[in-house]
Amino acid sequence: DIVLTQSPALAVSLEQRATISCKTSQNVDNYGISYMHWYQQKPGQQPKLLIYEGSNLASGIPARFSGSGSGTDFTLTIDPVEADDIATYYCQQSKDYPYTFGAGTKLELK
Amino acid sequence: EVQLVESGGGLVQPGRSLKLSCVASGFTFNNYWMTWIRQAPGKGLEWVASITNTGGSTYYPDSVKGRFTISRDNAKSTLYLQMNSLRSEDTATYYCTRDRNSGYFDYWGQGVMVTVSS
Repeated sequence: DIVLTQSPALAVSLEQRATISCKTSQNVDNYGISYMHWYQQKPGQQPKLLIYEGSNLASGIPARFSGSGSGTDFTLTIDPVEADDIATYYCQQSKDYPYTFGAGTKLELK
Repeated sequence: EVQLVESGGGLVQPGRSLKLSCVASGFTFNNYWMTWIRQAPGKGLEWVASITNTGGSTYYPDSVKGRFTISRDNAKSTLYLQMNSLRSEDTATYYCTRDRNSGYFDYWGQGVMVTVSS
């Protein structure tokens, strides 16, 4: 199985940049597509898709969110951070079955 | 507006069965793969099962293979998850999701809670 590693938490100040990383145990690129996706989950709510295929912004998601990376190293950037962005962020790979998720990074305010 | 509404959760004893349903609306159901994802209390997300748009193929992780069965009724725009031989570690909120071509999930239901306990 492909293992996705995320830092458990990240403390950030409002209006600053947040950089959340996700490292995979195997390459999740194939034929020029990164099979890496990012979700936001707030307490008591279902997850919401933010970024798909490494860097594509999902419908309705503000341009403050962006995704980058390739191979085994990926990053979700929020710039600038707003109060509404305080949540847990998960990465997910779909290069191989079983699809796997990172354990999540909880974004906290400094 | 895309909507996914799950039902069928509840408290069940270990070893018993439960069937979840998810009614979809706002999109052409039979054009999309569908997937169940679960989240144990206070834990992360786990992929549970996926099914192709026709229902012709299904996919499971080892943790549920042989115990869970995903199916769909395209005429009713409904997705199912039959869960047999339930274990305490199956306790979780189960989400119905719409699965896009490259394996990401663009719409999620509100989730349904399943508790396996004696």
